[in-house]
Amino acid sequence: AQSVTQPDIHITVSEGASLELRCNYSYGATPYLFWYVQSPGQGLQLLLKYFSGDTLVQGIKGFEAEFKRSQSSFNLRKPSVHWSDAAEYFCAVDPGSGGYQKVTFGTGTKLQVIP
Amino acid sequence: DGGITQSPKYLFRKEGQNVTLSCEQNLNHDAMYWYRQDPGQGLRLIYYSQIVNDFQKGDIAEGYSVSREKKESFPLTVTSAQKNPTAFYLCASSIALAYEQYFGPGTRLTVT
Repeated sequence: AQSVTQPDIHITVSEGASLELRCNYSYGATPYLFWYVQSPGQGLQLLLKYFSGDTLVQGIKGFEAEFKRSQSSFNLRKPSVHWSDAAEYFCAVDPGSGGYQKVTFGTGTKLQVIP
Repeated sequence: DGGITQSPKYLFRKEGQNVTLSCEQNLNHDAMYWYRQDPGQGLRLIYYSQIVNDFQKGDIAEGYSVSREKKESFPLTVTSAQKNPTAFYLCASSIALAYEQYFGPGTRLTVT
């Protein structure tokens, strides 16, 4: 069965430090990959997406993610975290193999930013 | 501004009552979705609709029902058969299935 794993439930970083949030998936083919961010009590906002092509994708708010087929990973990065980045981050994967097989969301990583 | 509206933001019901959550979008999207979010469990798909008058069950459809009579609207009814209805419910839409989804602000339902 398809699965998406975000191994870090909670991460704390200092403001100005770099950030990497991990996402691993298990699918046969190259899936469509997404990162979303959710502020408390709010809906999800799309940060970036990967369908094909360049494996390093740029998103909003200074985030980027790299697709690594050999590692089945799609990790989210930001060079310098701002206090406003504190939120929960979700990785999502669509099999992308034709026909709809639904998007599977990871369980999320909650980011805390300390001054 | 285009977007997705969910109302109300907070909803309280007594056990045994059906309740309908509203979801409206003006993005001209064909596909719409309902998710349930519980702490530590990510998002779980309840129902989705590819087009008007068509919808499919997701992973946790039991105790829920939907309708899609208009492109803009995809209401979700939480029935009394849903054993644990207290949760945060999110509606989303996309241009078509398998494209990025746009989410509404959510409705927090509390059933006592």
